[in-house]
Amino acid sequence: DAGVTQSPTHLIKTRGQQVTLRCSPKSGHDTVSWYQQALGQGPQFIFQYYEEEERQRGNFPDRFSGHQFPNYSSELNVNALLLGDSALYLCASSLLVVNEETQYFGPGTRLLVL
Amino acid sequence: GNSVTQMEGPVTLSEEAFLTINCTYTATGYPSLFWYVQYPGEGLQLLLKATKADDKGSNKGFEATYRKETTSFHLEKGSVQVSDSAVYFCALSEREFQKTSYDKVIFGPGTSLSVIP
Repeated sequence: DAGVTQSPTHLIKTRGQQVTLRCSPKSGHDTVSWYQQALGQGPQFIFQYYEEEERQRGNFPDRFSGHQFPNYSSELNVNALLLGDSALYLCASSLLVVNEETQYFGPGTRLLVL
Repeated sequence: GNSVTQMEGPVTLSEEAFLTINCTYTATGYPSLFWYVQYPGEGLQLLLKATKADDKGSNKGFEATYRKETTSFHLEKGSVQVSDSAVYFCALSEREFQKTSYDKVIFGPGTSLSVIP
């Protein structure tokens, strides 16, 4: 049973560029959440997708956008990259049903903006 | 808003020492509580969880008890190993009153643990 997978593992971009990160959820899961983890800090919630729609959003600018596909996989897009966007981006999947509270995390994509 | 506070790190212990990492939370609804672990260069792994007051989560020798009266979820292990060296995150996910699904996970800042032989 495959867990959450993310691609690419590492990425280097320059300021002003755009980036797309990808996530495949754990088998059987229908909900994908994205988190940003800056160096030395805890992950911060970006947004969550369910049924191909953004269900909830954290305190991130509109430069951060996402998409969920019919097979439940997801993309995170960041436009007009800033140096401060350098971080580990984590995808988590879960099942949106009663009393299911656990999110399972992928290994992350490490983004460096120069 | 909801939040999680953890003890400051880094924590350095000798092998076989007793470990406690303190965690307290603030939440308005009915949170579930988690400990996640992050090994160097890796993503987050769920270590243990507790979904209601007085529940005890346990895994790999680690334990934490959901204390609603003190809003705490301290992580303990009786005898740490070098392989336990990692960053530990306390977290909560809250289900608001009369809702059935859980929302985003809110993480504490993490506590770095180094275990030396």
